[in-house]
Amino acid sequence: GEDVEQSLFLSVREGDSSVINCTYTDSSSTYLYWYKQEPGAGLQLLTYIFSNMDMKQDQRLTVLLNKKDKHLSLRIADTQTGDSAIYFCAESMDDKIIFGKGTRLHILP
Amino acid sequence: NAGVTQTPKFQVLKTGQSMTLQCAQDMNHEYMSWYRQDPGMGLRLIHYSVGAGITDQGEVPNGYNVSRSTTEDFPLRLLSAAPSQTSVYFCASSYGRGGNEKLFFGSGTQLSVL
Repeated sequence: GEDVEQSLFLSVREGDSSVINCTYTDSSSTYLYWYKQEPGAGLQLLTYIFSNMDMKQDQRLTVLLNKKDKHLSLRIADTQTGDSAIYFCAESMDDKIIFGKGTRLHILP
Repeated sequence: NAGVTQTPKFQVLKTGQSMTLQCAQDMNHEYMSWYRQDPGMGLRLIHYSVGAGITDQGEVPNGYNVSRSTTEDFPLRLLSAAPSQTSVYFCASSYGRGGNEKLFFGSGTQLSVL
């Protein structure tokens, strides 16, 4: 069935790297996404990776894709207080985008 | 440029009442969709539309109706509200077909059904 799995919580000290992991189900997904949701707001696209790529880097963000294991990760370098949010992994499936349950990132001082 | 506009922002209903959540976008996007967000459940797709006159069901369509008479608008109707429909509802749109394009989200409608 359609199921994107990710852990619900992650606590990281300010300045450390955060790694959020996700597993997805559809091996034919063309795109895999990371969305960010700040309190009281809708989601905003953070980054995405095309399925024929292994890695994508964008400033402090690094996305790694392991298609064999259907595993996606998001690394945030030098985590800041402004990174505190819920991060959603999502996969494209035909005309739909299916989201995971979201990982709440908590920043420790 | 307003983007995706949802109204109302908050709504309280009694069980059995009906209402329509409004969603409008001014970006000429072909694709529009409705999600509900519940604690611990993430976002679940209710209905989506790939263009005017075309709608389809998502993961959790029961209890909801949609129509797409224009490119700009995609209202979500609750015919007989139930407490299980208490949730935050998000409308989202994209330029192309939903699977391969960035989604733009509205700010959400918080619905409570008593």
